[in-house]
Amino acid sequence: GQNIDQPTEMTATEGAIVQINCTYQTSGFNGLFWYQQHAGEAPTFLSYNVLDGLEEKGRFSSFLSRSKGYSYLLLKELQMKDSASYLCAAMDSNYQLIWGAGTKLIIKP
Amino acid sequence: DAMVIQNPRYQVTQFGKPVTLSCSQTLNHNVMYWYQQKSSQAPKLLFHYYDKDFNNEADTPDNFQSRRPNTSFCFLDIRSPGLGDAAMYLCATSRDVQGGAEQYFGPGTRLTVT
Repeated sequence: GQNIDQPTEMTATEGAIVQINCTYQTSGFNGLFWYQQHAGEAPTFLSYNVLDGLEEKGRFSSFLSRSKGYSYLLLKELQMKDSASYLCAAMDSNYQLIWGAGTKLIIKP
Repeated sequence: DAMVIQNPRYQVTQFGKPVTLSCSQTLNHNVMYWYQQKSSQAPKLLFHYYDKDFNNEADTPDNFQSRRPNTSFCFLDIRSPGLGDAAMYLCATSRDVQGGAEQYFGPGTRLTVT
């Protein structure tokens, strides 16, 4: 079956760095997405990786290892507004997104 | 600003009373999706349209129907809502279904069933 695993909840301190991991098992692979979702709001796109390596975009970076079925989202210089759920989604061979349940990130002052 | 709009933002309906949720987009995207999301769960794809071609997920209950009368609008009809259908319903669009085409989400409609 197809599956996404990511931690349910993480806590970090304002100004620090946090890494949110995601492992995936899909039938074929056409890339991995990260979305941010604030409570009660819609998901917003953060990043897309289809090749191995690190993609940096400001304070946020995303890494992919296709051979390991593994990705992480790295958030630097954490701000209180980064408190949200972070959803990992892998695209399978049918271009269908397989979504994780999200990692709730709690930022403490 | 180009966007995805959902109305209403909050909808209360009675058990068994039909309800329609609407979505419109100004992005001129080919693909429109409807997702159901319950608290602390992954979004669950109900169906999607590629232009006028309708694609129903195998496990979407028959109680859920959809219409896309034109490129800009898409509707979700729940024929006989049950208590288990209370959820956030998210509409999303994308340029294409392939590769790195990101999905743009509307703000969602939170459905309560009494």
